[in-house]
Amino acid sequence: DQQVKQNSPSLSVQEGRISILNCDYTNSMFDYFLWYKKYPAEGPTFLISISSIKDKNEDGRFTVFLNKSAKHLSLHIVPSQPGDSAVYFCAASRPTGNQFYFGTGTSLTVIP
Amino acid sequence: GAVVSQHPSRVICKSGTSVKIECRSLDFQATTMFWYRQFPKQSLMLMATSNEGSKATYEQGVEKDKFLINHASLTLSTLTVTSAHPEDSSFYICSASSLGGHSGANVLTFGAGSRLTVL
Repeated sequence: DQQVKQNSPSLSVQEGRISILNCDYTNSMFDYFLWYKKYPAEGPTFLISISSIKDKNEDGRFTVFLNKSAKHLSLHIVPSQPGDSAVYFCAASRPTGNQFYFGTGTSLTVIP
Repeated sequence: GAVVSQHPSRVICKSGTSVKIECRSLDFQATTMFWYRQFPKQSLMLMATSNEGSKATYEQGVEKDKFLINHASLTLSTLTVTSAHPEDSSFYICSASSLGGHSGANVLTFGAGSRLTVL
């Protein structure tokens, strides 16, 4: 049972425009959410996170928005750059823990 | 920041042999490490949670006798794929939990992954 879902397997965006990646979750116990970026044949790297006490966290070009009532989070990248082309995974965890649940990933292509 | 080293990055072996993959936390202690498997164009599948000094906890459907996990120290966990078959060919990734996220919460730091090809 997939508790974290990314319904868009791929996204293409023109360089300089905004990229919006979406993620939905089903478990209301999740209180901490992360985004990871992954290049082919490499391990994922941590990008940005947000706890459930916030609805927005910003780090440079990356902003994560959390809508707890909708059980939805999104990652905004603006302006998008060709180097942002990668697979992005969202992940969630419960208060107890160490265990993280990952979405299926969205492959972002930023077109120069 | 936290660094997790995974070795080897690529390994090719014959069917029936065993392969060991190492995962080390370089600048922090990790009482818990995680092993994932990724199939092409699919998500990271959690295989098992590796606990220092005790037995690993395997996810449903993962054969513990085939994927042996040892976490003998606070900085090292190993995954051994025993009697490997071509269907075991995959990208295996380890991770460890460390502080560094929003409000100082845990984040997972991943190794670079190991590409296993079984001939």
